[in-house]
Amino acid sequence: AQTVTQSQPEMSVQEAETVTLSCTYDTSESDYYLFWYKQPPSRQMILVIRQEAYKQQNATENRFSVNFQKAAKSFSLKISDSQLGDAAMYFCAYRRPTYNQGGKLIFGQGTELSVKP
Amino acid sequence: NAGVTQTPKFRVLKTGQSMTLLCAQDMNHEYMYWYRQDPGMGLRLIHYSVGEGTTAKGEVPDGYNVSRLKKQNFLLGLESAAPSQTSVYFCASSRRDRGPEKLFFGSGTQLSVL
Repeated sequence: AQTVTQSQPEMSVQEAETVTLSCTYDTSESDYYLFWYKQPPSRQMILVIRQEAYKQQNATENRFSVNFQKAAKSFSLKISDSQLGDAAMYFCAYRRPTYNQGGKLIFGQGTELSVKP
Repeated sequence: NAGVTQTPKFRVLKTGQSMTLLCAQDMNHEYMYWYRQDPGMGLRLIHYSVGEGTTAKGEVPDGYNVSRLKKQNFLLGLESAAPSQTSVYFCASSRRDRGPEKLFFGSGTQLSVL
């Protein structure tokens, strides 16, 4: 079974600085997708970024980028120029292709990010 | 755009009581999911459905039942609530197409079982 591990329960960053959130996963499959979701205090789940395993190029979305190391099964999220609005719980998630078992997401434990002004 | 709507948003139950959480989506998605969120444990899948009339167990199905009689609705039932079921419950949906389709989430239901 696939597992996702976020070993940092809490992280803190100074406004305008850069922070990296760690995520590792375990799988025997070669085809899968990885995601980072943000959950602010409103409880809304917001997709931050996604990565397809067969793509070697790391995904980027504005200030958010990932470091995808397939062999090491690592998928870290880098937030550049951190803003107060980035403060939230961040979840790393793994997903098999949607045609396989309903494409369910497997989540990590979450990392609570605080941003200091 | 309604997206995924969960009702109710908050509920307090006594041990042994039953209730049903309703999830409705208006995006014609084939896949629907029920997750529970607990501190330090992330979101864990309870049950999911790949289409109308079909359901399957997820990671933590015990104590819950589900039904998907209509494509747009996915119901989660607790027959005899226990304090261990105190949690925040999220419904989500997605398209069936192959690819990194994102899940659309509801706003969650805070359930307390006393």
